[in-house]
Amino acid sequence: QVQLQESGPGLVKPSETLSLTCTVSGDSISGYYWSWFRQPPGKGLEWVAYIHYTGSTNFNPSLKSRLTISVDTSKNQLSLQLISVTAADTAVYYCARLVAVAGHYPGNVDYWGQGTLVTVSS
Amino acid sequence: DIQMTQSPSTLSASVGDSVTITCRASQSISSWLAWYQQEPGKAPKLLIYKASILESGVPSRFSGSGSGTEFTLTISSLQPDDFATYFCQQYNSYIFTFGPGTKVDIK
Repeated sequence: QVQLQESGPGLVKPSETLSLTCTVSGDSISGYYWSWFRQPPGKGLEWVAYIHYTGSTNFNPSLKSRLTISVDTSKNQLSLQLISVTAADTAVYYCARLVAVAGHYPGNVDYWGQGTLVTVSS
Repeated sequence: DIQMTQSPSTLSASVGDSVTITCRASQSISSWLAWYQQEPGKAPKLLIYKASILESGVPSRFSGSGSGTEFTLTISSLQPDDFATYFCQQYNSYIFTFGPGTKVDIK
């Protein structure tokens, strides 16, 4: 059974950097696309970014200038960094595994992490 | 970006009712659409992918249909566990987008 676990600070100050790690167990990170999503309290889901295990990436255009994502295949982890955060970045952040469509395009999520709430506040 | 809309935003129903949620895309997404169920405080759960394929382990009372720009999720006989929020998501483009969600609550 594939399991994903997000970890990182639950509180980040405005203008600082939000850093999260997702540890994958039950399967190798290799061979898949992995993604980050977020959900502000009481609101809908927003796709943040995805990364292929080879390192190729794609970002939500509204966040692209502030985002870095990476994978560490040796640790079976993926990570997210979002710089210059504001209160609008307060959300539950989810990591997720994507199904490959037609063998090589990123598709729907099949496994989600439980999510971690990050609050941006001084 | 492809915009996704859902209707209704809230749906009140009783156990045993059949309900249908509609999701529309601002341009054709072929069949590249997924439906997720989310209970309060929990991560979303995949129900349907490629518009109509039931994810393994999901009860057969859930079904999806549609292609192009209009899609539906039907729950044929609501069970107590089904009172939740449902989101559609397109993955036709490299920019993923979600519908705003439909909350199914108890009448």
